[in-house]
Amino acid sequence: GAVVSQHPSRVICKSGTSVKIECRSLDFQATTMFWYRQFPKKSLMLMATSNEGSKATYEQGVEKDKFLINHASLTLSTLTVTSAHPEDSSFYICSAVSGSYSDTQYFGPGTRLTVL
Amino acid sequence: QKEVEQNSGPLSVPEGAIASLNCTYSDRGSQSFFWYRQYSGKSPELIMSIYSNGDKEDGRFTAQLNKASQYVSLLIRDSQPSDSATYLCAGGARVTGGGNKLTFGTGTQLKVEL
Repeated sequence: GAVVSQHPSRVICKSGTSVKIECRSLDFQATTMFWYRQFPKKSLMLMATSNEGSKATYEQGVEKDKFLINHASLTLSTLTVTSAHPEDSSFYICSAVSGSYSDTQYFGPGTRLTVL
Repeated sequence: QKEVEQNSGPLSVPEGAIASLNCTYSDRGSQSFFWYRQYSGKSPELIMSIYSNGDKEDGRFTAQLNKASQYVSLLIRDSQPSDSATYLCAGGARVTGGGNKLTFGTGTQLKVEL
């Protein structure tokens, strides 16, 4: 099946710093990528939808200035958590879809962010 | 607010038994439904997708959808210890560019006991 990678897998940073997370589709072109966040013992919450070359569409309650999403190519989307605070500590997962008519989302392995 | 509801469990079944996982959803605009399995600390992996009323079988898994009752279920036959995980139900709505915006339930923890 299709492979989606995320980098880094784990990151620990100090409060106030910015962290960039990369999501790559390794063997297909992703027309759409999604970013999710999952807190411990909770379900996945969609943060935003990104299409290559377009501005991301953020879900209600997600601060677009804090969570910057760039989908610069059909194989790469990045999520930057700006001025991170301890409450941003979470498991961030991306997923990618191949083609406009596909329903299958391929999930990346996730990035565990810990903000001290 | 669009919601997907699941019993958090844990649901314990003996090895070889049938595990039955249930899910209800509130958004009648959801067009597709998905069951994902998630092991602790890992990302979800797709088990089944279902779009039409009725049953859909794939190996040991059967998904059932009843749009009138806004109800989705997943049956796992011949449960194995390796099936022990959290099962996430998700409702999807298509977006421009492909794919579905997924609304996930909180998940049901399944434990298959030897």
